[in-house]
Amino acid sequence: QVQLVESGGGVVQPGRSLRLSCAASGFTFSTYNMHWVRQAPGKGLEWVAIIWYDGSNKYYADSMKGRFTISRDNSKNTVYLQMNSLRAEDTAVYYCARGQQPLDYWGQGTLVTVSS
Amino acid sequence: QVVLTQSPSASASLGASVKLTCTLSSGHSTYAIAWHQQQPEKGPRYLMKLNSDGSHIKGDGIPDRFSGSSSGTERYLTISSLQSEDDGDYYCQTWGTGFWVFGGGTKLTVL
Repeated sequence: QVQLVESGGGVVQPGRSLRLSCAASGFTFSTYNMHWVRQAPGKGLEWVAIIWYDGSNKYYADSMKGRFTISRDNSKNTVYLQMNSLRAEDTAVYYCARGQQPLDYWGQGTLVTVSS
Repeated sequence: QVVLTQSPSASASLGASVKLTCTLSSGHSTYAIAWHQQQPEKGPRYLMKLNSDGSHIKGDGIPDRFSGSSSGTERYLTISSLQSEDDGDYYCQTWGTGFWVFGGGTKLTVL
């Protein structure tokens, strides 16, 4: 069955960087676009970024452009989110999700807390 | 860009039915959406893709109690024979060239 497992979250100081990973299994990873979505405490879902199945295209939410970078390694069935210049408002659970158009499978998320 | 509007909350009794609404911004009546469920303290779960003509394709293992329909810029999720595990947040989501967007979510309380 499809499984998405995020890792790499934790507590980080403002201005620092963090890289999240999402390990995929149960499907042909190299044929699917992959997303990152976040959810601040007590808030709704916010789309972060998408990377095409072959890495040829990437799109970001406006508030994340220039600070976040999505990438993937199809040989490792893994998608990454590099987050730089982190701010308190980036505190959230970060989910990876599979999807060509609707996001049809989700991971359980990894918590990122930005605090001094 | 497309905006999705959802009522913040809804409630219905155990065993009853409830209809949740997601409204697309003006001029975007042809957009398909997806419905996602988030039970308390869990990650989201994809329920279905809902087209503008009301046709829908459900995700793996989604019970027949969940159905979708459309009218103009409105997209609906109907849950029948409500069960306690239906309690949670429901989000609609749509997409276009270079963007993916979520509605604010509806918190469903099963009484």
